[in-house]
Amino acid sequence: SQTIHQWPATLVQPVGSPLSLECTVEGTSNPNLYWYRQAAGRGLQLLFYSVGIGQISSEVPQNLSASRPQDRQFILSSKKLLLSDSGFYLCAWSGGLNTDTQYFGPGTRLTVL
Amino acid sequence: AQSVTQPDIHITVSEGASLELRCNYSYGATPYLFWYVQSPGQGLQLLLKYFSGDTLVQGIKGFEAEFKRSQSSFNLRKPSVHWSDAAEYFCAVGASGSNFGNEKLTFGTGTRLTIIP
Repeated sequence: SQTIHQWPATLVQPVGSPLSLECTVEGTSNPNLYWYRQAAGRGLQLLFYSVGIGQISSEVPQNLSASRPQDRQFILSSKKLLLSDSGFYLCAWSGGLNTDTQYFGPGTRLTVL
Repeated sequence: AQSVTQPDIHITVSEGASLELRCNYSYGATPYLFWYVQSPGQGLQLLLKYFSGDTLVQGIKGFEAEFKRSQSSFNLRKPSVHWSDAAEYFCAVGASGSNFGNEKLTFGTGTRLTIIP
């Protein structure tokens, strides 16, 4: 069966510091991968998606970036965090027999102070 | 562009009572529709989905949802809620048949469900 991991689970960072969040998927190959952000009291906002290694599409302009160095690894980064980057970051995957369904990881709670 | 509206921000239901969470979507063609549930501090878990066929779909944990094209709705129901159903529920719509394959989903803002004894 497929599983999706995210780490760290919780992160507190000062404004202006860098960021690296990691997402990995097991049990499938060539998944589509997604990064979402969930701000307090709001829905999910799609940030990036990837259909393959090195292929990244950005949905919203921001100071975040994403990379996919390996087939089942998706990384969310920032060079300098802003207060507005605080939120709950969710990674999701789709593919295999259920290409139209996205499955979510446990999320990372990011607080920027 | 597709959109999803969940008109109820917060619903409180007594344990054992029935539940209906509303979802209205806007999409020009036949949509793919999903309900997800999120417990505090957790990721989203898929409850059920509708792609085509029978408009009444069954999901996990005793939930069901009915697709009504004429009303552009996909309401989630459960005949008898349990305290463990307290969570946030998200409706989402995806575009069928697009070039991307599996779609970018558009989510509603969620409905928070509180269960009282």
